[in-house]
Amino acid sequence: QLQLQESGPGLVKPSETLSLTCAVSGASVSTYFWTWIRQPAGKRLEWIGRLETNELTNYNPSFRGRATMSLDTSKNQVSLKLTSVTAADTAIYYCARILCDTDCFTFDYWGQGSLVTVSS
Amino acid sequence: DIQMTQSPSSLSASVGDRVTITCRATESISSYLNWYQQKPGKVPNLLIYGASKLQSGVPSRFSGRGSGTDFTLTISGLQPEDFATYYCQQSSVTPITFGQGTRLEIK
Repeated sequence: QLQLQESGPGLVKPSETLSLTCAVSGASVSTYFWTWIRQPAGKRLEWIGRLETNELTNYNPSFRGRATMSLDTSKNQVSLKLTSVTAADTAIYYCARILCDTDCFTFDYWGQGSLVTVSS
Repeated sequence: DIQMTQSPSSLSASVGDRVTITCRATESISSYLNWYQQKPGKVPNLLIYGASKLQSGVPSRFSGRGSGTDFTLTISGLQPEDFATYYCQQSSVTPITFGQGTRLEIK
């Protein structure tokens, strides 16, 4: 059974870097594509980017180059860094596995989410 | 970016009812449309992908239709566990975008 668990600091100061990891069990991270999605309170889901098995990435342009996703195969985890954060980056951050069937942008397994608050 | 708009934004229904939620894209996305269910405080759960394919383990009372710009999610015979928020998501072009959600409440 595939399980994903996000972790990271729950509080980040404005202008600093948000760093999250997603520990994967039940599958090798090098076998699948992965994604990060966030959800501000009461708002719609927002796609951040996709990380492929060869570590190619595809980011949402709305993040203006602030987002970086990476794989750590030794720890079997996926990471997200988001630089220069502001209060608008306050959200629950989810990592998810990508199901490649009709396309490679369908999200079939999700972590429990990590709430990140940006505040001084 | 492709904008996804769901209607209605909220809906009240009773156990046993048949309900339909609509999702419209601002341009054609062929059949690259997914539906998720999210219960309060829980993680989104994939229900339908490719507009009409039922994800493994999802009850057959859920069905999806559509192509191009107009899509529907139908729940036939609402069960108590179906009261949740439903999101559509286009998987056609990046950036990937989601609808604003439809909150399904008990009448």
